[in-house]
Amino acid sequence: ETGVTQSPTHLIKTRGQQVTLRCSSQSGHNTVSWYQQALGQGPQFIFQYYREEENGRGNFPPRFSGLQFPNYSSELNVNALELDDSALYLCASSLRTGIQETQYFGPGTRLLVL
Amino acid sequence: GENVEQHPSTLSVQEGDSAVIKCTYSDSASNYFPWYKQELGKRPQLIIDIRSNVGEKKDQRIAVTLNKTAKHFSLHITETQPEDSAVYFCAATPISGGYNKLIFGAGTRLAVHP
Repeated sequence: ETGVTQSPTHLIKTRGQQVTLRCSSQSGHNTVSWYQQALGQGPQFIFQYYREEENGRGNFPPRFSGLQFPNYSSELNVNALELDDSALYLCASSLRTGIQETQYFGPGTRLLVL
Repeated sequence: GENVEQHPSTLSVQEGDSAVIKCTYSDSASNYFPWYKQELGKRPQLIIDIRSNVGEKKDQRIAVTLNKTAKHFSLHITETQPEDSAVYFCAATPISGGYNKLIFGAGTRLAVHP
């Protein structure tokens, strides 16, 4: 098992609400990436945080936002939830070394939007 | 755009047989290719990875090959066991904007029958 943890494990929200998901990265890692995995599909890159700043973003609207804290933990915030936001949200931590780094995933938060 | 195609979507083998999963990527600048195994309800776990300066890598029963010219890479599992049953995802890391994101294939559901 990796040292990456996420909370909560499951969450049920209604359309229009807001949600905050949390991720604690593996000890020694300084980069956190967030992915959305819809049922039966591969994970889709949302964004990445390094040194508390977003430094890369996938094809997700601005209502998906995030934060990284000085201890490298991270939050994913989603506003104005839509039914299609129902998915497994995964964070992955890595150590930026200047070359392609390995990403280690947390167990995910399963979000259901009703 | 950046894309990874993965085949087959499902694969059924008898215990002891070999399994091969193939992926094709679109961004020729990609230089890191990890493979993840995801069991039902669990996090994606890295099982092997390869970088673009290497053509083949092996770890016990698992091997990965890379053909940069053809933009293909493949996962080979020999002497399959029932515990190998899971969904396998290939991924590629294109170099864009100086950050690393994983572009995943759609996954291969492998079933190993005793």
